[in-house]
Amino acid sequence: QVQLVQSGAEVKKPGASVKVSCKASGYTFTGYYMHWVRQAPGQGLEWMGWINPKSGGTNYAQKFQGRVTMTRDTSISTAYMELSRLRFDDTAVYYCARLDGEYGMDVWGQGTTVIVSS
Amino acid sequence: EIVLTQSPGTLSLSPGERATLPCRASQSVSSSYLAWYQQKPGQAPRLLIYGASRRATGIPDRFSGSGSGTDFTLTISRLEPEDFAVYYCQQYGSSPLTFGGGTKVEIK
Repeated sequence: QVQLVQSGAEVKKPGASVKVSCKASGYTFTGYYMHWVRQAPGQGLEWMGWINPKSGGTNYAQKFQGRVTMTRDTSISTAYMELSRLRFDDTAVYYCARLDGEYGMDVWGQGTTVIVSS
Repeated sequence: EIVLTQSPGTLSLSPGERATLPCRASQSVSSSYLAWYQQKPGQAPRLLIYGASRRATGIPDRFSGSGSGTDFTLTISRLEPEDFAVYYCQQYGSSPLTFGGGTKVEIK
């Protein structure tokens, strides 16, 4: 079945970087843009950006420009989101989600908890 | 940036009642690119509606979406126990993609 499986929880110190992976299965990885969305504790959903797995092209939300890098490895159908210079308010659950054109974000990963703590 | 406003933040309703959840955009949204998601505690969001009114695969027909331009609505015709959750609208037609703040549907 179509699914996205993310890497496990992370605890990082302020100023460090974190890299979250998202492995796709059950569909053609290069056929759909991959988006990253985060959710701080008790808060709503916040879009971070997307990567085109076919070309490697990216588009980041202005808020994360300069701190986020989205990459992919097509040989293993995996997308990555790396966030650098972590701050306490980067503590959140990070989700990858497939965007199927006009059909919305129809497949989501299970989420990766990132805790930034000194 | 298109700002999506969902108000009220919380709806208190009983099972069997009708739920009407509004979503207002700060500027016109192409109807092809307005979606609704349901999220339960500890779970990832789940796509309910895309294209403002089209149900995603496997979504019961008690869920319906309507609207155009700047005003959209998610309606749950008769609330089932499993429908008590948080609902988010999202526009995905222009960058940056944006979500509304969410409406929590709680049991009265």
